[in-house]
Amino acid sequence: NAGVTQTPKFQVLKTGQSMTLQCAQDMNHEYMSWYRQDPGMGLRLIHYSVGAGITDQGEVPNGYNVSRSTTEDFPLRLLSAAPSQTSVYFCASSYSGDSASYGYTFGSGTRLTVV
Amino acid sequence: AQSVTQLDSQVPVFEEAPVELRCNYSSSVSVYLFWYVQYPNQGLQLLLKYLSGSTLVKGINGFEAEFNKSQTSFHLRKPSVHISDTAEYFCAVSVSSGSARQLTFGSGTQLTVLP
Repeated sequence: NAGVTQTPKFQVLKTGQSMTLQCAQDMNHEYMSWYRQDPGMGLRLIHYSVGAGITDQGEVPNGYNVSRSTTEDFPLRLLSAAPSQTSVYFCASSYSGDSASYGYTFGSGTRLTVV
Repeated sequence: AQSVTQLDSQVPVFEEAPVELRCNYSSSVSVYLFWYVQYPNQGLQLLLKYLSGSTLVKGINGFEAEFNKSQTSFHLRKPSVHISDTAEYFCAVSVSSGSARQLTFGSGTQLTVLP
């Protein structure tokens, strides 16, 4: 009953450092995505994937990389952290078929601070 | 492209009073509509969704929403709120066809239930 698991829960980075936020789901969902949440701006889509080997950019992709080598995992890489990337990051997954059951399952988030 | 406007950033209400959280959307194609709730320091949880059919949708925790296509609205209502309903609520929209099911979120409404 794990759902979507995000690690770490908290992270502090120095400007210029790189890191990977991990996301794993055990529901065999084809669709996975990364969002960032900033006060007063709701959630904004960074990158998404409709299946293993297929990724695409969302609304705010700059400074982030993704890959999808397996159905279960969808890591988000920060190439060179900047203070503007201080945010709460959420991973979400969904079926891409069967609209009756369509809905996103969210992870509990990673709170990232870049100093 | 789709967009979502949540008309109130903060809604204070007394316990046992009714509440309505307003959401308007913009889209040139058919959409699915969602309401998510986020409790402090947690991820998002699906409250309810409109895919098709009856325009009145019932969700968890006694919430319901009504889809109004002519007014492009999807307002969330609860007849009697509890302290435990204090949370941030997000309205979201997705296109209703295609394999890329990314959600577009509104900026959120903080509901605070007062004793």
